[in-house]
Amino acid sequence: QVQLVESGGGVVQPGWSLTLSCEASGFTFSDYSIHWFRQAPGKGLEWVTLISSDGNTRYYADSVKGRFTISRDNSANTLYLQMKSLRPEDTAVYYCTRELVTGKWFFDPWGRGTLVIVSS
Amino acid sequence: EIVLTQSPGTLSLSPGERGTLSCRASQSVSRSYLAWYQQKPGQGPRLLIYDASSRATGIPDRFSGSGSGTDFTLTISRLEPEDFAVYYCQQYGSSPLTFGGGTKVEIK
Repeated sequence: QVQLVESGGGVVQPGWSLTLSCEASGFTFSDYSIHWFRQAPGKGLEWVTLISSDGNTRYYADSVKGRFTISRDNSANTLYLQMKSLRPEDTAVYYCTRELVTGKWFFDPWGRGTLVIVSS
Repeated sequence: EIVLTQSPGTLSLSPGERGTLSCRASQSVSRSYLAWYQQKPGQGPRLLIYDASSRATGIPDRFSGSGSGTDFTLTISRLEPEDFAVYYCQQYGSSPLTFGGGTKVEIK
């Protein structure tokens, strides 16, 4: 079964750091680019970042550039999102998802998400 | 940036009825690069349709997508109880990718 499972969310204070993980199973992880999206409570989906299959290419949304870092360990089938200098507006459910066809940004599957709350 | 407007915001239907969801783009979506997703509470989105009309693996044939240019439609031929959810369209023909605001399909 093709699956992505996020973990690592929690409640942190503004300015703190947090690292999210995304564990993949059921497919050859190293063949696919992986993206992070987020969804603020009651809001729509926002693209956050992507990493290419080999880890050599990374892109970030302007809203997180310089604060978030995406990385992957293909030997462990795991993706990471290091988040620093967190702000209240980073509060959201964070999802990892696979770019199903290289170069075409539609996504499948998605994980169930992990909730990050940034609040004092 | 392409703005996607979904209508209606909420669709109230009974099981067995046909559902028609609209997604209108502020400019033409290149190569009909449009996807549809279903999202249920507490879950991530589920890909239903890509390239405007191609059904994703494992998606029942009661779901169909159509359209081109600026007007796209997701049709659910006969609603099953598990189909009541929020549906999003997403374009990937132009950067940045964008999502519509969603249509909630609720039980009447």
